[in-house]
Amino acid sequence: DQQVKQNSPSLSVQEGRISILNCDYTNSMFDYFLWYKKYPAEGPTFLISISSIKDKNEDGRFTVFLNKSAKHLSLHIVPSQPGDSAVYFCAATSTGTASKLTFGTGTRLQVTL
Amino acid sequence: NAGVTQTPKFQVLKTGQSMTLQCAQDMNHEYMSWYRQDPGMGLRLIHYSVGAGITDQGEVPNGYNVSRSTTEDFPLRLLSAAPSQTSVYFCASSSSGGQPSEQFFGPGTRLTVL
Repeated sequence: DQQVKQNSPSLSVQEGRISILNCDYTNSMFDYFLWYKKYPAEGPTFLISISSIKDKNEDGRFTVFLNKSAKHLSLHIVPSQPGDSAVYFCAATSTGTASKLTFGTGTRLQVTL
Repeated sequence: NAGVTQTPKFQVLKTGQSMTLQCAQDMNHEYMSWYRQDPGMGLRLIHYSVGAGITDQGEVPNGYNVSRSTTEDFPLRLLSAAPSQTSVYFCASSSSGGQPSEQFFGPGTRLTVL
């Protein structure tokens, strides 16, 4: 049973436009969410996170929104740049579970010129 | 700081062979973990450790052993490799095992079992 779902395997966006990546979760115990970015042949790198006590967290061009009632979060990238082309993973965990991350299957973002 | 390092980068094994994937971190992190990434599956937790001498199973532990004798090192052992263990393996570390925190990942080991 996939507890964290990223239903869009891929997304193509023009440079300068907004990229919106979505993530849904089913486990009500999850209270901390992270987004990781992964380039080919490299390990994932942390992008941004959000605690369940917030509904929005912003870091430069990246904003994560959390809708707890819908068990849904989204990552907004504005403006999108060609260097943002990568696979984005949503991950979730629960406080007190030793930071065990449950990952989604990833969304491949391509930013075109 | 080198961060999280993994060796080897690539490995080909025959079914039944054993090997150890090495992972080291120089950030004095308490928490370390191993994930595998398979196509269409995302990353799945194999084993994790909250400190030297303490390990526990993750989501997919069968066929793998770990130990944590030092803070820096967290090797992953495949006792008898199977084709189902063909995957990319990532080691990660973070500064706190109790509270959620950012995990730092190594570059990965691509393993093929024939």
